[in-house]
Amino acid sequence: DIQMTQSPSSVSASVGDRVTITCRASQGISSWLAWYQQKPGKAPKVLIYAASSLQSGVPSRFSGSGSGTDFTLTISSLQPEDFATYYCQQAKSFPFTFGPGTKVDIK
Amino acid sequence: QVQLQESGPGRVKPSRTLSLTCTVSGGSFSSGAYYWSWIRQHPGKGLEWIGYVYYSGITYYNPSLESRLSISVDTSQNQFSLNLSSVTAADTAVYYCARVEKVRGIIYWGQGTLVTVSS
Repeated sequence: DIQMTQSPSSVSASVGDRVTITCRASQGISSWLAWYQQKPGKAPKVLIYAASSLQSGVPSRFSGSGSGTDFTLTISSLQPEDFATYYCQQAKSFPFTFGPGTKVDIK
Repeated sequence: QVQLQESGPGRVKPSRTLSLTCTVSGGSFSSGAYYWSWIRQHPGKGLEWIGYVYYSGITYYNPSLESRLSISVDTSQNQFSLNLSSVTAADTAVYYCARVEKVRGIIYWGQGTLVTVSS
């Protein structure tokens, strides 16, 4: 299986802050990476697919970059509704493994 | 609008079989673009891929669960099902069904159903 790691595991930030989350794959996955946002009691929601493509309806303050083994999710100006847990997921090979998550909470 | 809905018991006794069904409405169930999948989340933890079934019946199982797992599809009912045998407390989790696309990721999820393994 391809192992996914994320850093940091949690981050405290204020509204308006720029937040960056890093995801690393244990082997090269080209651009086969998606990012999800999950709020308590809800299913995850896809934000970014193919490493840098913004899912329809997702605000443009979210962006993704990277290829190979190292990827980044950036929230350019944190909004109140962005406080949640974020997961990366590789789609290179099954099982499509997820990272352990990064919790973004209020400073 | 595509919708997925899990159904099944919320409590299963240890050593028994956990059975869930996902009913899909909207969209094309028999499209070759989709992997009909089960994903679970242990309480307060991350997401674990369980496996998928293709509309043709082809399956993939997570090796960590493969010996206890069976996923099937019923295209006439737009449903797919999960059976996980010999459950223990470690199988207590929220189980999600999802429509997975390799390129676009998982756009459509069920609401999730909590299954507790307890006597």
